[in-house]
Amino acid sequence: DIQMTQSPSSLSASVGDRVTITCRASQPINNYLNWYQQKPGKAPELLIYAASRLQSGVPSRFSGSGSGTDFTLTISSLQPEDVATYYCQQGYNAPKTFGQGTKVEIK
Amino acid sequence: QVQLQESGPGLVKPSETLSLTCAVSGGSISDYYWSWLRQSPGKGLEWIGYIYSSGRNNYNPSLKSRVTISVDTSKNQFSLRLSSVTAADTAVYYCAREGYNSGHYYFDSWGQGTLVTVSS
Repeated sequence: DIQMTQSPSSLSASVGDRVTITCRASQPINNYLNWYQQKPGKAPELLIYAASRLQSGVPSRFSGSGSGTDFTLTISSLQPEDVATYYCQQGYNAPKTFGQGTKVEIK
Repeated sequence: QVQLQESGPGLVKPSETLSLTCAVSGGSISDYYWSWLRQSPGKGLEWIGYIYSSGRNNYNPSLKSRVTISVDTSKNQFSLRLSSVTAADTAVYYCAREGYNSGHYYFDSWGQGTLVTVSS
């Protein structure tokens, strides 16, 4: 199985800050990397697929980059509604695997 | 916009079989992969397996010996059976659709999730 490792596990930032979350795959996965946002008590929602393609309806302050083993999710200007846990997921092969999550809070 | 809704017992006894159904509305179940996933505090998000509308399936090797996923295209729904459950199978179970674009697959629609507790 491909192991996905996220860092940090949690962060606290101020409204308007630029926030960066990283995800590392245990082997190269090209750009088969997806990002999800999960708010408390809710199902995850797709933010970005294919490492950098923004899902329809997702605010443009979210962006993704990377290829191979190292990937980044960036929130350009943190908003109160972005408080959530963010997960990366590899779609390179089965079994599909997720990172352990990064919890984002407002300072 | 497609919507998914899980249903099934919220409490299952140890050694018994967990059974859940996911009803798909607002779109056809045809021509997509449909997955079951679960989330527990100890193990995070875990993909259980998928089924294609034709019936072809693929399961997580860690659960393969206990999992069956089936599809009923006439009812626009698919189902999960997980046998010989233990407390470790206690989790929120989600059904989800795999959307696709240019060879990339991603979970683009999710059910709300249903908590299943394994306890006597």
